[in-house]
Amino acid sequence: QVQLVESGGGVVQPGRSLRLSCAASGFTFSSYGMHWVRQAPGKGLEWVAVISSDGSDKYYTDSVKGRFTISRDNSKNTLYLQMNSLRPEDTAVYYCARRGIAAAGDYWGQGTLVTVSS
Amino acid sequence: QSALTQPASVSGSPGQSITIFCTGTSSDVGGYNYVSWYQQHPGKAPKLMIYDVSNRPSGVSNRFSGSKSGNTASLTISGLQAEDEADYYCSSYRSSSTYVFGTGTKVTVL
Repeated sequence: QVQLVESGGGVVQPGRSLRLSCAASGFTFSSYGMHWVRQAPGKGLEWVAVISSDGSDKYYTDSVKGRFTISRDNSKNTLYLQMNSLRPEDTAVYYCARRGIAAAGDYWGQGTLVTVSS
Repeated sequence: QSALTQPASVSGSPGQSITIFCTGTSSDVGGYNYVSWYQQHPGKAPKLMIYDVSNRPSGVSNRFSGSKSGNTASLTISGLQAEDEADYYCSSYRSSSTYVFGTGTKVTVL
């Protein structure tokens, strides 16, 4: 069965960095594009970034361009989100999702909470 | 990058049908048949309910159906049940290889 497990969240001060990971299993990871989607406390879903199956194409929402980098290691079946220059408004649960039958994600992880606060 | 517009809340009695609308632009909902709908219960990850406007993934009840007209997509829940009470989000592919979600709708079963 498809499984996505995020990790790496925590409390971080504004301006600092954090790297999230998403470990994938139960499917051929290298065949699928992958998303990061976030949800601020009590708010709606916000698409963050997507990466193609081979990692050659990457796209971001405007608010994270130049600060966040999506990447993947197909040999380790792992997706990453490097987050630099973090801001309080980046506080959210971050989900990884597989770009499968649904363009915006068919399978989702359980999420990891990132809190940006001094 | 503005979100797709959804009503904040919709309610209905058990057994009734409700429809949630999701309004975008010709650059997203109206321009592509890549509209998906997600159900999210409190504290849980989103669950895919509809993809490519009107397709149901395996295991999703046929009480859920989707459609699109112009720049507006819709999700209809027929035979409303208590377990349908949740937040619902639409999403769409948007030009320039980006994606967008709706503002979210809280469905209440009266």
